[in-house]
Amino acid sequence: ETGVTQSPTHLIKTRGQQVTLRCSSQSGHNTVSWYQQALGQGPQFIFQYYREEENGRGNFPPRFSGLQFPNYSSELNVNALELDDSALYLCASSLRGRNTQYFGPGTRLTVL
Amino acid sequence: QKEVEQDPGPLSVPEGAIVSLNCTYSNSAFQYFMWYRQYSRKGPELLMYTYSSGNKEDGRFTAQVDKSSKYISLFIRDSQPSDSATYLCASQETSGSRLTFGEGTQLTVNP
Repeated sequence: ETGVTQSPTHLIKTRGQQVTLRCSSQSGHNTVSWYQQALGQGPQFIFQYYREEENGRGNFPPRFSGLQFPNYSSELNVNALELDDSALYLCASSLRGRNTQYFGPGTRLTVL
Repeated sequence: QKEVEQDPGPLSVPEGAIVSLNCTYSNSAFQYFMWYRQYSRKGPELLMYTYSSGNKEDGRFTAQVDKSSKYISLFIRDSQPSDSATYLCASQETSGSRLTFGEGTQLTVNP
């Protein structure tokens, strides 16, 4: 059984740029959730995808967008990067309707 | 007010101690409660999950939920240096919905 994988591991961008982060869900999982974890804080829910559609969104602006593909992998896109977007971005996969979400190792984004 | 509040610590204990980690929550709709462990520079790892009030035990770990007081606890018995990590409590309204996390408690177990 393959766990959740994310790429890249680290990323450095400058303010105003755009970034795409990728996630491959655990085998058999059809739901993907994205979270932002600032340093010293708990993860904050960005949005969730099921059947290639957004299925719930946290308090994040529209410049945070996502995609889910037929193989259940997912992308998180962030436009017009701001300094406060610097954080660990976590992807979690789960089976629709089941409680347990399994997290990937995260992508650490630094915005300069 | 945050929906889930957690004392960030840090908490430092000697090896073999019993550790008590706690959270409170304000959202009465929360029904599912989890504890995640996060090592430095890693993603959170699910430790325990509980539905509604009650206790759940798994090896050295015991999770407790008291919905009447909106209190969530994790107890670690015979703590080991390998337990040194950040512990995150999380709550969920319905099965499969978003997780709402506390800010995490950093635990160090000293040999």
